[in-house]
Amino acid sequence: GAVVSQHPSRVICKSGTSVKIECRSLDFQATTMFWYRQFPKKSLMLMATSNEGSKATYEQGVEKDKFLINHASLTLSTLTVTSAHPEDSSFYICSARSVAGRGGQFFGPGTRLTVL
Amino acid sequence: RKEVEQDPGPFNVPEGATVAFNCTYSNSASQSFFWYRQDCRKEPKLLMSVYSSGNEDGRFTAQLNRASQYISLLIRDSKLSDSATYLCVVNPFSGGYNKLIFGAGTRLAVHP
Repeated sequence: GAVVSQHPSRVICKSGTSVKIECRSLDFQATTMFWYRQFPKKSLMLMATSNEGSKATYEQGVEKDKFLINHASLTLSTLTVTSAHPEDSSFYICSARSVAGRGGQFFGPGTRLTVL
Repeated sequence: RKEVEQDPGPFNVPEGATVAFNCTYSNSASQSFFWYRQDCRKEPKLLMSVYSSGNEDGRFTAQLNRASQYISLLIRDSKLSDSATYLCVVNPFSGGYNKLIFGAGTRLAVHP
């Protein structure tokens, strides 16, 4: 299947700092990528849809000024958590639409963010 | 009501057992359906798509009942390696828009 990578896999930072997470599609081009967040024992929640060359579409309740998304190329989307706080600690996962199949998405390995 | 509902489990079964998971979805216009598998602290991985006629992939069988808005996954001859959380996933839109709605998952533990 299609390969999606994420970097970093884990980050620990102090409250108030900004953290950038990269999502790359390694063997295909992705005009659309998705950013999810998952709290322990909870379902994945879509945060935003990242569209190459245009503004991201944010889900209700997700602050666009706090979670900055940039999709500058067909293989890279970045999520920046600005002024992170402990409540932002979570598992952040990106995905990209598969080029085959019926709309399934392939996920990156996730980034575990811990804000102290 | 949640958009996608699943029994959280856990289902504790012995090796070789057959186990079935159920899922219901609220949006009757939903177009695409999937089962994903998620191991602890890992990303979800696509297990199989669910087709209207039902489909099978080895030991795994998926069924869809649009009238009841109900999806199922049957695992036969369970293996220890099947232990994971199984996520029911629905794409509520048509036309290729790939917004996915995830259920909270059903945890399966297969023991020797």
